[in-house]
Amino acid sequence: DIQMTQSPSSLSASVGDRVTITCRTSQSISSYLNWYQQKPGKVPRLLIYAASNLRSGVPSRFSGSGSGTDFTLTITSLLPEDFAIYYCQQSYSSPWTFGHGTKVEIK
Amino acid sequence: EVQLLESGGGLVQPGGSLRLSCAASGFTISSYVMSWVRQAPGKGLEWVSAISGSGGSIYYADSVKGRFTISRDNSKNTLYLQMNSLRAEDTAVYYCAKDRERLVVVTAFDYWGQGTLVTVSS
Repeated sequence: DIQMTQSPSSLSASVGDRVTITCRTSQSISSYLNWYQQKPGKVPRLLIYAASNLRSGVPSRFSGSGSGTDFTLTITSLLPEDFAIYYCQQSYSSPWTFGHGTKVEIK
Repeated sequence: EVQLLESGGGLVQPGGSLRLSCAASGFTISSYVMSWVRQAPGKGLEWVSAISGSGGSIYYADSVKGRFTISRDNSKNTLYLQMNSLRAEDTAVYYCAKDRERLVVVTAFDYWGQGTLVTVSS
């Protein structure tokens, strides 16, 4: 199975900050990496697919990059509605594993 | 508008069974891989099972293999998860999720249902 390591597990940031979350995989997965956002009590929401493709309707302050084993999700200017947990997920092979999540909290 | 509505969750004793359903609308499930993803209370996301549009390709996480069975009724546009030999560690919110692309493997989960809570406890 492909192991997913997200870092940090949590971070505190202020509105307007630039935030970067990292996801590392235990083997190369090319660009088969997705990012999701989950707010408390809500359903996960797809943000980025295939490492760097912004899903339609997702604000452009979100971006993804990387390939192989190292990936990043960047939020260029944090808004109050961005405080949430972010998960990466590999779609390279079954079982389709998720990272453990990064909680973005208000400083 | 794509909608997914899960049902069938509840309280069950260890060793018991439950059948979850996911009624889809706004698209035809026969064209997409459909998955179940679960989330234990206060924990992260865990992919559980997936089935291709035709039903010819089925996948399970090791944690549920041999105990859970995924199926679909394309005529009813509904996905199912039969869960047997339930354990305390199966306690979670179970989401059904639609895949983003019309392939036979998971690519990305672009629509999720609201989830149904399964509690395994005596």
